[in-house]
Amino acid sequence: EPEVTQTPSHQVTQMGQEVILRCVPISNHLYFYWYRQILGQKVEFLVSFYNNEISEKSEIFDDRFSVERPDGSNFTLKIRSTKLEDSAMYFCASCIGGANEKLFFGSGTQLSVL
Amino acid sequence: GEDVEQSLFLSVREGDSSVINCTYTDSSSTYLYWYKQEPGAGLQLLTYIFSNMDMKQDQRLTVLLNKKDKHLSLRIADTQTGDSAIYFCAESRDTGRRALTFGSGTRLQVQP
Repeated sequence: EPEVTQTPSHQVTQMGQEVILRCVPISNHLYFYWYRQILGQKVEFLVSFYNNEISEKSEIFDDRFSVERPDGSNFTLKIRSTKLEDSAMYFCASCIGGANEKLFFGSGTQLSVL
Repeated sequence: GEDVEQSLFLSVREGDSSVINCTYTDSSSTYLYWYKQEPGAGLQLLTYIFSNMDMKQDQRLTVLLNKKDKHLSLRIADTQTGDSAIYFCAESRDTGRRALTFGSGTRLQVQP
């Protein structure tokens, strides 16, 4: 069964550094998302991406965050000037769109900012 | 804004039925979902229901939706130890945004 893949599974970085989290969505999907889950808290929406542009973003997605689809397969989340509070599990998701509203999630990247 | 609430913990014995409840506030919610998260893993879509339905059954899973009370439940029949996980309720509106609002998750513990 097709799946959303994320790399790396764990990322450790120093505060103030830049990180790039990578995702390969399911190949025929058109909508792409990033969510995050701080330990013990709710899964929170960050951003949605469609047709090579951001469709919607939450308050969490400030100007330190950016997303890119550099080629036909990868979807990346970049966080500049990382803060301690960015530490979380980051989930990528994709959806085929149209009448099918099912979102498929990757297994996540655990980001630890020290 | 939208809010989704769930009880935090449920413990059942193997073979019993489990019922996980969820309430939501957004009357525009069109799609309601149940996701399962096992330790160290991502979110696995279990089932979903459209707001114009009041029940959906899928093997051991039964979803009930009371749109008037904005209440969603997931019933797992013949609960197995492999069902132990965190179960998230989520909703989205048909705005084209398709972003989900999640509840805090209910940790289901199945005792042998």
